[in-house]
Amino acid sequence: DIQMTQSPSSVSASVGDRVTITCRASQSVSSWLAWYQQQPGTAPRLLIYAASSLQNGVPSRFSGSGSGTEFTLTINSLQPEDFATYFCQQAKSYPYTFGQGTKLELK
Amino acid sequence: EVQLVESGGNLVQPGGSLRLSCVASGFTFVNYPMYWVRRAPGKGLEWVSVISGSGGTIFYAESVKGRFTISRDNSRNTVYLQMYSLKVEDTAKYYCAKGEGWCESDSSACYRHFDYWGQGAQVTVSS
Repeated sequence: DIQMTQSPSSVSASVGDRVTITCRASQSVSSWLAWYQQQPGTAPRLLIYAASSLQNGVPSRFSGSGSGTEFTLTINSLQPEDFATYFCQQAKSYPYTFGQGTKLELK
Repeated sequence: EVQLVESGGNLVQPGGSLRLSCVASGFTFVNYPMYWVRRAPGKGLEWVSVISGSGGTIFYAESVKGRFTISRDNSRNTVYLQMYSLKVEDTAKYYCAKGEGWCESDSSACYRHFDYWGQGAQVTVSS
């Protein structure tokens, strides 16, 4: 199985800040990497697919980059609604696996 | 508008069974693979199972293999997850999700992300 490791596990930031979350795969997943946001008590929401493609309706302050084994999710100019937990997911091969999550908290 | 609505979650004793349903609307159901993903309390997301549009290809996570069965009824736009021999560690919110992505030209491999999710069904396994 492909192991996905996110860092950091949690991060504190303020409205207006820029935040970067990293996701590393235990083997190459090419560009088959997605990012999701999950607010407490709600379903996950797709933000980024194929490592860097922005899902329809997602604000442009979200961006993704990387390929192979290292990926980043960047959120520019944090907004109050961005404080949530973020997960990466490899779509290269089954079993699909997720990172353990990064909780973005208000400083 | 795409909608996925799960039902069937409940409190069940260890060793018990439960069937989750997910009714889809707003897209051509038969054309898409459907997934079940769960999130246990205090844990991250875990992929559980997938079924292709035709129902002919199915995969399971090792943690549920032999105990869970995924199926779909394309005439009812519904995907199911039949769960047997439930364990305490199966306690989680179960989400159905629509698969999107690309397949190789020879269909040897597909790469899917989950573009729409249901609101989730709570399954609690406890005595």
